[in-house]
Amino acid sequence: ETGVTQTPRHLVMGMTNKKSLKCEQHLGHNAMYWYKQSAKKPLELMFVYNFKEQTENNSVPSRFSPECPNSSHLFLHLHTLQPEDSALYLCASSQAAGSYQPQHFGDGTRLSIL
Amino acid sequence: AQKITQTQPGMFVQEKEAVTLDCTYDTSDPSYGLFWYKQPSSGEMIFLIYQGSYDQQNATEGRYSLNFQKARKSANLVISASQLGDSAMYFCAMRESTGTYKYIFGTGTRLKVLA
Repeated sequence: ETGVTQTPRHLVMGMTNKKSLKCEQHLGHNAMYWYKQSAKKPLELMFVYNFKEQTENNSVPSRFSPECPNSSHLFLHLHTLQPEDSALYLCASSQAAGSYQPQHFGDGTRLSIL
Repeated sequence: AQKITQTQPGMFVQEKEAVTLDCTYDTSDPSYGLFWYKQPSSGEMIFLIYQGSYDQQNATEGRYSLNFQKARKSANLVISASQLGDSAMYFCAMRESTGTYKYIFGTGTRLKVLA
């Protein structure tokens, strides 16, 4: 496998459920990112991990909880979500968060909250 | 203040013709990087081209070129010889060197290539 892989591709959940999004990169990168993409809005950065350390939390509500066990894997744990959290969630990786290297993105998880 | 502005929500271009997608940016940082990404309907963001603020020449990657005008703070993407597969959303993004790890994205331009 190459590139950035996200699972699941689609997720429908109720507001009281707990689920997790998974991201895995096979590019040898050291930085990983979570973005939220809503219709007609710019891509919103949620979290950044650089060498497994969280370096950015862009005022994300606590119902989103990231986890980065190693440089290749990134999770986004979800609980008690709201309807406005329905969006495409994109994971990305890059060589290092402080460089000008381009980010490589996964296909995203399309999340729908009932 | 919006740091990346893409003023064209939608564009049409005839197949085999060239098209320019506009991007202006705002920063006081002398060092920064500019990126263009393509997002087909499948959702994946595909990196196209990069321009560094200190680069003397405009970046080119195959059919993609970046018209970088530093004084005007613009970084327009030029796609030559458009193909039907170029139909997608296109995003301009910037990374500053101010110690944060944020890539700032514009709202995107939807390009439709006509046969």
